[in-house]
Amino acid sequence: DSGVTQTPKHLITATGQRVTLRCSPRSGDLSVYWYQQSLDQGLQFLIQYYNGEERAKGNILERFSAQQFPDLHSELNLSSLELGDSALYFCASSDGRSTATDTQYFGPGTRLTVL
Amino acid sequence: DQQVKQNSPSLSVQEGRISILNCDYTNSMFDYFLWYKKYPAEGPTFLISISSIKDKNEDGRFTVFLNKSAKHLSLHIVPSQPGDSAVYFCAARSGGSNYKLTFGKGTLLTVNP
Repeated sequence: DSGVTQTPKHLITATGQRVTLRCSPRSGDLSVYWYQQSLDQGLQFLIQYYNGEERAKGNILERFSAQQFPDLHSELNLSSLELGDSALYFCASSDGRSTATDTQYFGPGTRLTVL
Repeated sequence: DQQVKQNSPSLSVQEGRISILNCDYTNSMFDYFLWYKKYPAEGPTFLISISSIKDKNEDGRFTVFLNKSAKHLSLHIVPSQPGDSAVYFCAARSGGSNYKLTFGKGTLLTVNP
C-alpha cells in the first residue's frame, strides 16, 4: 500500500459525458501528479500540482482539467468524453520539497471506460 | 519521440537465476532514474532509484546500474523469485523544477519455478 488513494476504482460512462476522478496523496506529500495509461501507450504524464498550484503540464487535452485543494487532495475532471479517453488514470504523490531524490508513489488507479 | 526505451517487451528467467532488465534514454537532461514494478490491476510500485551522479545503487536483491556515456541503465534482480513476475517500468526525470516522469513502455518479467 503506497498510501495514495484514488476513487472510484472503476468508472463506466458514455461519450459526451463528464467525470471527476479523485486522489488523496500520502500524508505529508505536497505534490500530486496525474498520468494516463492507454492500451498501446506507456504511462503518459498529464499534469502536476504542488501545494495547490499547477507546476508542470504534459500532453493534457483541453477537455481535461485538474485542481489541488487546500487539504492537498486533487481532482481530475474529464469532459466531453470520447471513446479514446478509455484508459487507466493514475495519481502519484511525492514530497515535492527536494529536487534531488524526489520519488513518486502511485495510487491503484481509476479504470475509465467510455462506451 | 520516445525518450525512454525498453526494447525488450518480455523476459523469461528461471527461479534463482539473475534477471536483467534494460533501459535506454536519449535525453541528456535526465538526472534521476527510477524503476517501478506493476502487477495487473494495481498501480506502479516504486522499487529502486539512482541519481545521475552515481553509477550503481543496491537495495537487497535489486541493483540498478547507470552508464551515462551510453545513456543506458539496467536493473538486476538476484536471485529471481516467482513473485517478481510483473511488468517493470523504467522512468526518468529531468533536472530543475520539472518533476514529471517519462516512462518506458515496460518489460514483462516472468520467473518460472
